[in-house]
Amino acid sequence: GAGVSQSPRYKVAKRGQDVALRCDPISGHVSLFWYQQALGQGPEFLTYFQNEAQLDKSGLPSDRFFAERPEGSVSTLKIQRTQQEDSAVYLCASSLAGTQDIGYTFGSGTRLTVV
Amino acid sequence: LAKTTQPISMDSYEGQEVNITCSHNNIATNDYITWYQQFPSQGPRFIIQGYKTKVTNEVASLFIPADRKSSTLSLPRVSLSDTAVYYCLVGDIFSGGYNKLIFGAGTRLAVHP
Repeated sequence: GAGVSQSPRYKVAKRGQDVALRCDPISGHVSLFWYQQALGQGPEFLTYFQNEAQLDKSGLPSDRFFAERPEGSVSTLKIQRTQQEDSAVYLCASSLAGTQDIGYTFGSGTRLTVV
Repeated sequence: LAKTTQPISMDSYEGQEVNITCSHNNIATNDYITWYQQFPSQGPRFIIQGYKTKVTNEVASLFIPADRKSSTLSLPRVSLSDTAVYYCLVGDIFSGGYNKLIFGAGTRLAVHP
């Protein structure tokens, strides 16, 4: 596609529910990142994939967060047993290669609200 | 990772030039300076990147003094549509095959009619 697509755009979950957020990166992009953005704050790194390999998951806040990219294209961020503090916008970004000399392309994000 | 400091907010009027300065006193030799723009309900968008001196593209200019401890993003003749949050990032863009962008809180620019 022309850009990074994320779905759903909005998700309301009851506390304790599991959610799955999808990211469709730009076709051919090797690198894929997930970020979490709280209201009024800058995005914070969660995890990084190079093709299907998850090379860095140092930003995942707890073991309730899990990300996968099994075929090296579409990625899913899963949050188990959601808590109110998980409410945020989840952003996905991709790039042709790992280097950012031409910048990363971000999707519009999924706004998760846990009630 | 070099830390950046930028104003929390700025106000301007249509047609004016806006300069946003970012401080990065601990910038390393291999670090580049990158600016992103973020509109409400959208992800950040790459604006410009540089290493030293001046870089210009169709959107903005980036001025970097010789000591590289600061940088200034210059937006010529802003319009209402330039109202957004602007992030300054510093990092080695070629390190380890990837670079996890480290965002601060950014500068909220409000352009008024």
